[in-house]
Amino acid sequence: GAGVSQSPSNKVTEKGKDVELRCDPISGHTALYWYRQSLGQGLEFLIYFQGNSAPDKSGLPSDRFSAERTGESVSTLTIQRTQQEDSAVYLCASSLLTALPTPQHFGDGTRLSIL
Amino acid sequence: GDSVTQMEGPVTLSEEAFLTINCTYTATGYPSLFWYVQYPGEGLQLLLKATKADDKGSNKGFEATYRKETTSFHLEKGSVQVSDSAVYFCALSGLTGGGNKLTFGTGTQLKVEL
Repeated sequence: GAGVSQSPSNKVTEKGKDVELRCDPISGHTALYWYRQSLGQGLEFLIYFQGNSAPDKSGLPSDRFSAERTGESVSTLTIQRTQQEDSAVYLCASSLLTALPTPQHFGDGTRLSIL
Repeated sequence: GDSVTQMEGPVTLSEEAFLTINCTYTATGYPSLFWYVQYPGEGLQLLLKATKADDKGSNKGFEATYRKETTSFHLEKGSVQVSDSAVYFCALSGLTGGGNKLTFGTGTQLKVEL
């Protein structure tokens, strides 16, 4: 499809397990962002990719969180040793990279539930 | 750091009523401002944007004007419909070394009733 695709759409896992979330951005979008939407914290920025590098990781909440991007395309967000406070909707967005901020296009998110 | 403050919801209106959702921001430099909307069961969608002072963004009957003097970007619609029921997020984005990451407000839920 033409939009941002995220998988899985829902993930339920036990505390302590590792999870991997995937994002397929819009083709040609150099910029890719991960956000987290949770009841207590609203929408928070996690990490930004420009191409395959991540110049801004300032939003990652702990060293249990990591992300990578390959081929200036697919990105994966990995959470190790999951905790209950990691339960949230994880959103991916992509955009063109220009001199002015361009609108970000969001995927439908992955709803992560930690038991 | 950058921040966005928007009015808390839920806001409940009758169909054809006038809507205002207040949004103010704190940022260094000259950010771009956005309103995103999240309809029930759907993902975030861009509603409108403004990139400089006094710009007016508009879409689907919604409008917002970038007011630098009051650091505000209030969302308005003259006559709401039941189909406008959704959560509305005000956001800003500034060019930094970290790309154009968005800083969001907490969201305002709008319910429109017949």
